[in-house]
Amino acid sequence: DTGVSQDPRHKITKRGQNVTFRCDPISEHNRLYWYRQTLGQGPEFLTYFQNEAQLEKSRLLSDRFSAERPKGSFSTLEIQRTEQGDSAMYLCASSPPGSYNSPLHFGNGTRLTVT
Amino acid sequence: AQTVTQSQPEMSVQEAETVTLSCTYDTSESDYYLFWYKQPPSRQMILVIRQEAYKQQNATENRFSVNFQKAAKSFSLKISDSQLGDAAMYFCAYRGRVNYGGSQGNLIFGKGTKLSVKP
Repeated sequence: DTGVSQDPRHKITKRGQNVTFRCDPISEHNRLYWYRQTLGQGPEFLTYFQNEAQLEKSRLLSDRFSAERPKGSFSTLEIQRTEQGDSAMYLCASSPPGSYNSPLHFGNGTRLTVT
Repeated sequence: AQTVTQSQPEMSVQEAETVTLSCTYDTSESDYYLFWYKQPPSRQMILVIRQEAYKQQNATENRFSVNFQKAAKSFSLKISDSQLGDAAMYFCAYRGRVNYGGSQGNLIFGKGTKLSVKP
């Protein structure tokens, strides 16, 4: 169990640029989640995959955001035309198949700063 | 919509003492899951303890225990014999039951309580 891995750890970009983040879940976990956490707040749900299917999307996920998990393994989160309000920590989490009581295993996150 | 409220932005405890972190939530569902997560500075979030709403017995994990009051919609975390390594942000979280219409992914978090442990 190598844990959930996220890349990069930090990303600084200029407003209007596109950015892409990667998440590698724990290998046997079929569920993958993306959350966004701003300073002083708890994580907010963005989207959820079961295997390669994106089953749920939050209203927070505007048209500029897109997430994929093409082979049911790693996932990418892309933000197009970044805005200063996109500055946040983007957290990825995974969980195994079975009960929804299973805890989510979080990665270290990608901190995005939009200047 | 479900909400989770943590009314204590910051708490402090002396090493070896006991501290209780508060959490209340609002839901119309009768069955759900509740969690406490710990987020140390610059480190990943990890699960501390979880409770299933249909279980009346309060969950316990070593020095961590909860006081689950379903009628009051309260879910507090008690940390006994506090250690320096307990210093972190603590988040209370709620998840509805999927087969009762609860979201599969939407773990709803409170704003967190920052716990400091004094040596």
